[in-house]
Amino acid sequence: DVKVTQSSRYLVKRTGEKVFLECVQDMDHENMFWYRQDPGLGLRLIYFSYDVKMKEKGDIPEGYSVSREKKERFSLILESASTNQTSMYLCASSFRTAQETQYFGPGTRLLVL
Amino acid sequence: GEDVEQSLFLSVREGDSSVINCTYTDSSSTYLYWYKQEPGAGLQLLTYIFSNMDMKQDQRLTVLLNKKDKHLSLRIADTQTGDSAIYFCAESIREEGSQGNLIFGKGTKLSVKP
Repeated sequence: DVKVTQSSRYLVKRTGEKVFLECVQDMDHENMFWYRQDPGLGLRLIYFSYDVKMKEKGDIPEGYSVSREKKERFSLILESASTNQTSMYLCASSFRTAQETQYFGPGTRLLVL
Repeated sequence: GEDVEQSLFLSVREGDSSVINCTYTDSSSTYLYWYKQEPGAGLQLLTYIFSNMDMKQDQRLTVLLNKKDKHLSLRIADTQTGDSAIYFCAESIREEGSQGNLIFGKGTKLSVKP
């Protein structure tokens, strides 16, 4: 079974802090994704990566950056957290192409005060 | 641009059938997906259908695809309280010069009343 894990289930940070969200998959998947989920807005793609050190902007990349130094790990970075980044963050991975089945982690609920 | 539409809420009684509908825009989608999200959890793949199929059945789940109308539906037979969740429809898209992606609907919240 594919397993996608996220470093934290819940996180509380203060405005202006630098925040790291980590995601790890154990199935040698090429692609990894970061989404945020907000009520009434569904899932919105922040960034995705199709290979180590490669990244592509999604629909809402502003205020975020990503890092993929190893194939199994994809990090989402909030350089200076703001209250409007309070959200549920979901990581996903897919095997070969971004169109294939995406497998999701359990999510990280981030609260920025 | 690409868009996936689904109604936001559905309420049914336990034991009834639930039908969740979805419309999509990209006629070249290869795969169409249904995901389930239970409260406080990530998305779990429920089922998917290839675009060259009209129907797929998996135990209590039936997926119907109408390519002409770009309409996808998920039917859950004998709905149980454990089926209460948010259901997301997603289409695969392929864009020239890009890796392609999945486009998700906003999700349909299914409430099952005992």
